[in-house]
Amino acid sequence: GAGVSQTPSNKVTEKGKYVELRCDPISGHTALYWYRQSLGQGPEFLIYFQGTGAADDSGLPNDRFFAVRPEGSVSTLKIQRTERGDSAVYLCASSLTRTGTNTGELFFGEGSRLTVL
Amino acid sequence: GENVEQHPSTLSVQEGDSAVIKCTYSDSASNYFPWYKQELGKRPQLIIDIRSNVGEKKDQRIAVTLNKTAKHFSLHITETQPEDSAVYFCAASNPQAGTALIFGKGTTLSVSS
Repeated sequence: GAGVSQTPSNKVTEKGKYVELRCDPISGHTALYWYRQSLGQGPEFLIYFQGTGAADDSGLPNDRFFAVRPEGSVSTLKIQRTERGDSAVYLCASSLTRTGTNTGELFFGEGSRLTVL
Repeated sequence: GENVEQHPSTLSVQEGDSAVIKCTYSDSASNYFPWYKQELGKRPQLIIDIRSNVGEKKDQRIAVTLNKTAKHFSLHITETQPEDSAVYFCAASNPQAGTALIFGKGTTLSVSS
């Protein structure tokens, strides 16, 4: 597709359940980012992939959060034993890396709104 | 790691007035400073960015200034219009070093006609 695609757009789950959120970046973008945005706040950095590897996962809040990007394209954010505090919009973004230089501009998806009851 | 502070958190102006939003950053290695606009229920979208080799950049009614010594940068919107109403986020990173873009908490701009 032309832009970053995220699914599902909305997810309602019960406390303690497992959730997967998917991101399909812009074709050719090697850098992929996950952010979390709570109401009235700025995007909070979670993890960043360069290709298949996590270049920086320092933003993951705890070991219930995990993300993969096995083929360097689509990424999945996985949340185990969800808690009410995990409720937020999870934003994915991708960025173009040209000959090893990241231009910096992020292109965001529409986000996945997660509600934990 | 990088920390970005943004103020004010809310800003109300009359149509035609100017609006200024200010940000400070902590990591002197940061060299890329974009501004994103987010309308209600929409994704953040880049409106302007500046890199550390320039002090000012302008695009029609929008300008950004950067003071690397003081580690602060500002967004200036002139002749504001109702459609400028949105949440604006500043951010900072060093893309070449592979550091992630870190955002401020946002400024809600309301332009009344």
